[in-house]
Amino acid sequence: EVQLAQSGAEVKKPGESLKISCKGSGYRFSNYWIGWVRQMPGKGLEWMGIIHPSDSDTRYRPSLQGQVTISVDKSNNTAYVQWTSLKASDTAIYYCARGYGGNRDVFDVWGQGTVVTVSA
Amino acid sequence: EIVMTQSPATLSVSPGEKATLSCRASQSVSRDLAWYQQKPGQAPRLLIYASSTRVTGTPARFTGSGSGTEFSLTISSLQSEDFAVYYCQQYNNWPRTFGQGTKVEIK
Repeated sequence: EVQLAQSGAEVKKPGESLKISCKGSGYRFSNYWIGWVRQMPGKGLEWMGIIHPSDSDTRYRPSLQGQVTISVDKSNNTAYVQWTSLKASDTAIYYCARGYGGNRDVFDVWGQGTVVTVSA
Repeated sequence: EIVMTQSPATLSVSPGEKATLSCRASQSVSRDLAWYQQKPGQAPRLLIYASSTRVTGTPARFTGSGSGTEFSLTISSLQSEDFAVYYCQQYNNWPRTFGQGTKVEIK
């Protein structure tokens, strides 16, 4: 079964760092783009960025460039999002998702989501 | 970035009735438009891409149409499992962008 398993919920303080993960299984991880989508409390979906595991080619939403880093460890079939200094506005559910058909357009398999809470 | 605007924000429909959801792009996205369904506490699920192509597992009662800037998703006869939030997403330009969602609720 094709799956994306995300790391568990996090509670952090403003200014702290964080790295969350997304591990793929049941398919050839290196052949498919992995994207990240944010959902703030009670809000809609926001496309954050996407990475290809084979060469780490990455695209970011311009407003998030420099605010987060998307990375991948293809030897462990795992993608990551990290922050060096969290803000309260980073509080959200973060989903990873696989690019459908190996492309970077839409997402057909989703992780279960990682809840990140940033509060003093 | 391309702004996707969905309407209405909430649609109240009785089971068995038809629902039509709209999605408008701030500039042409050709047919590079997808629809997702999200139920409470769950991740989104891809239903349709390329404006009208259903992915495997999407029931035939879901029909997507449109091109350029105007798109729609029609659910021909609402079943209980269809009550959810629906999002459109364009993938013609970077960054990819989602609409704000339409909630389909039971009337």
